[in-house]
Amino acid sequence: AQTVTQSQPEMSVQEAETVTLSCTYDTSENNYYLFWYKQPPSRQMILVIRQEAYKQQNATENRFSVNFQKAAKSFSLKISDSQLGDTAMYFCAFMISGGSNYKLTFGKGTLLTVNP
Amino acid sequence: NAGVTQTPKFQVLKTGQSMTLQCAQDMNHNSMYWYRQDPGMGLRLIYYSASEGTTDKGEVPNGYNVSRLNKREFSLRLESAAPSQTSVYFCASRVRALTEAFFGQGTRLTVV
Repeated sequence: AQTVTQSQPEMSVQEAETVTLSCTYDTSENNYYLFWYKQPPSRQMILVIRQEAYKQQNATENRFSVNFQKAAKSFSLKISDSQLGDTAMYFCAFMISGGSNYKLTFGKGTLLTVNP
Repeated sequence: NAGVTQTPKFQVLKTGQSMTLQCAQDMNHNSMYWYRQDPGMGLRLIYYSASEGTTDKGEVPNGYNVSRLNKREFSLRLESAAPSQTSVYFCASRVRALTEAFFGQGTRLTVV
């Protein structure tokens, strides 16, 4: 079974600074996808960024980037130039690629607060 | 384009009552999911449906049943609600060709 671990239940950062959220996972599979989802107080789940395991290049979406270390099974999210609107719960998630397993497995989340 | 629609958004039940949470998607997605979210626990998979006509148990299926009524709709039923089922429930869907899962806005359920 796949597991996803987020070791930081809460973090805070000053506006305009950079913060990194940690995520590790455990799997014996070689082909999979990793995601970061954001959940603001509105409760809506919003996809922030995705990474395909077969790609060595780290994914980037504007101020959001990941550090994907496949051998270490680590997938951290870096938020640059933090904004007040980045305040949210962030979930790391994992999904096996292909086959009949369509399950998306989530970590327990990290609550990020951006302070003015 | 509504995406994934869940009803109701809020519900209070008494212990032992039954109810069905409804979920519909208009994106022609193959797979649909039901998750529950509890403080400090993240999102845990209750049931999923890889395609129309199939359903499978997830991590926490006890006390729930599901029906994949057609390609659009995937309902979650609580036959006899218990206080331990107090949670926020999310429905999600995805198309097989893509990886992203789209979520509904959630249902906050309280069982007293």
